[in-house]
Amino acid sequence: DVKVTQSSRYLVKRTGEKVFLECVQDMDHENMFWYRQDPGLGLRLIYFSYDVKMKEKGDIPEGYSVSREKKERFSLILESASTNQTSMYLCASTMGDRDHQPQHFGDGTRLSIL
Amino acid sequence: TQLLEQSPQFLSIQEGENLTVYCNSSSVFSSLQWYRQEPGEGPVLLVTVVTGGEVKKLKRLTFQFGDARKDSSLHITAAQPGDTGLYLCAGDNFGNEKLTFGTGTRLTIIP
Repeated sequence: DVKVTQSSRYLVKRTGEKVFLECVQDMDHENMFWYRQDPGLGLRLIYFSYDVKMKEKGDIPEGYSVSREKKERFSLILESASTNQTSMYLCASTMGDRDHQPQHFGDGTRLSIL
Repeated sequence: TQLLEQSPQFLSIQEGENLTVYCNSSSVFSSLQWYRQEPGEGPVLLVTVVTGGEVKKLKRLTFQFGDARKDSSLHITAAQPGDTGLYLCAGDNFGNEKLTFGTGTRLTIIP
């Protein structure tokens, strides 16, 4: 089974701090994703990576950046955290180059910015 | 930006009743995936429908993809408390690796 592991289940940070969310997958998947999940809005894509060092903006990239130095690890960075970034953050991965691939999700990081 | 609207947003019914959840868009998708998310966990794939008009059954759950591949429905027969969760539909945008997720339906089955 695919395992996607997010480093923290709960995180509390202060406004203006630099915040790192880490995600690791163990199935050699090419594609990795970061989403935020808010009630009534479903999952919104922040950033997507299709290979090491490659990234693509999603629908809501403002205020975020990402890093993918190794295939198995995809990091989400909040450069200067703000209260409107309080949310549930979900990481996912898929194999590349195949149609209709399911996304495999981690259990999420619930981030609170005070 | 493609949108997938799910209805209802919240649904609370008694054990044993039937229900239907809808997922609608003005855009065409190459396939539609349905996920269920339980508290404290990430979404888990239930099914993928690919062909317009396709119907798939997973025990008491029946999934249908619209003929025009713009909408989908999930029907649950004789709901059980274990069906409780957040149901998300997600559209596959013709192989560009990204999914468009719906707004979600939070289902509660009362014993």
